[in-house]
Amino acid sequence: QQQVKQSPQSLIVQKGGISIINCAYENTAFDYFPWYQQFPGKGPALLIAIRPDVSEKKEGRFTISFNKSAKQFSLHIMDSQPGDSATYFCAASISGTYKYIFGTGTRLKVLA
Amino acid sequence: GAGVSQSPSNKVTEKGKDVELRCDPISGHTALYWYRQSLGQGLEFLIYFQGNSAPDKSGLPSDRFSAERTGGSVSTLTIQRTQQEDSAVYLCASRRTGGSQPQHFGDGTRLSIL
Repeated sequence: QQQVKQSPQSLIVQKGGISIINCAYENTAFDYFPWYQQFPGKGPALLIAIRPDVSEKKEGRFTISFNKSAKQFSLHIMDSQPGDSATYFCAASISGTYKYIFGTGTRLKVLA
Repeated sequence: GAGVSQSPSNKVTEKGKDVELRCDPISGHTALYWYRQSLGQGLEFLIYFQGNSAPDKSGLPSDRFSAERTGGSVSTLTIQRTQQEDSAVYLCASRRTGGSQPQHFGDGTRLSIL
């Protein structure tokens, strides 16, 4: 119930392509879904976040798509660049509580 | 503004020694978390602080691990009698409480046990 399942574990994309990372959850009480980007030697940094009252949120080349009925959300990186090569974590939490549940991470490599 | 600061950035020590890791959260952030990240792995929750109290210590792997927070600010994670399996990156995060607030992470302490 508390798990967030993230896939794929690793992803290789050509420069200019679309990177897609998926996450699924079971607990319908989750109402905040952030994505984090982590470069080697650095801590995770908040990339973009969504609440379930919207189906999509876009910030630059990064888009979160949210499917409430399927209990799934995904990160799309358009026009992927080598500088996007990093590990991406999805997460879920319940507003007003402290608990964050993180996915297991996706290692993205964008080939030049 | 200043982000979450962790020190030291790297720590190499011999098996059996005690180590102390420090986290300076963002000013005004009352919630503080410690995580452990093994090489190429995900984030393992260790402990959560709200102010100076730790209502959730469920992730601490053994009684060799302890943490405290003073003045609602700085936190220290102490590992006693270190073992080789303790080698990992220890990450600290802080956030405001209330509503939907993201966690802000430091860059971690890379701990290596020889």
